[in-house]
Amino acid sequence: DAGVTQSPTHLIKTRGQQVTLRCSPKSGHDTVSWYQQALGQGPQFIFQYYEEEERQRGNFPDRFSGHQFPNYSSELNVNALLLGDSALYLCASSKWGRGNEKLFFGSGTQLSVL
Amino acid sequence: QQQVKQSPQSLIVQKGGISIINCAYENTAFDYFPWYQQFPGKGPALLIAIRPDVSEKKEGRFTISFNKSAKQFSLHIMDSQPGDSATYFCAASMGMNTGFQKLVFGTGTRLLVSP
Repeated sequence: DAGVTQSPTHLIKTRGQQVTLRCSPKSGHDTVSWYQQALGQGPQFIFQYYEEEERQRGNFPDRFSGHQFPNYSSELNVNALLLGDSALYLCASSKWGRGNEKLFFGSGTQLSVL
Repeated sequence: QQQVKQSPQSLIVQKGGISIINCAYENTAFDYFPWYQQFPGKGPALLIAIRPDVSEKKEGRFTISFNKSAKQFSLHIMDSQPGDSATYFCAASMGMNTGFQKLVFGTGTRLLVSP
């Protein structure tokens, strides 16, 4: 049973560029959330997708956008990259519904903005 | 009100000792409190979790103690082992009844278990 898979594992971009990160949820899961983890900090919630719609959003600018596909996989897009966007980007999956509280995280994509 | 405060920032424990990490929250709407373990280069892995209607939950060497009136909860690692050396995060969410799972994380505790 594959867990949450993310690609790529590492990425280097320059300021002003755009980046797309990808995530496949754990088998049987239909909900995907994205988190940003700066060095030495706890993960910060970016947004959550279910049924191909953004359901919740954290305190992140519109430069951060996402998408969920019919097979439940998801993409995170960041436009006009800033140095401060350098972080580990984590994808988490879960099963939608009451009582399905467990979130499973992938190993993340380490993004470096130069 | 959305913050979860975690302490200590770092902790050194001898092998076989007890590791204790504490967290506090303000928002009484939180209804789910998990602990995650993270190794370098890896994503957080769910360790143990508790709901506010229970004061204690034990799974193997890991125990969560929950004090609803004080709005505090803690992780106890019994018989700590060098393999437990990692960063531990407490978290909280209020999505138990809606399906919206938005975790608010603490700042993390770096645990080092010395041989």
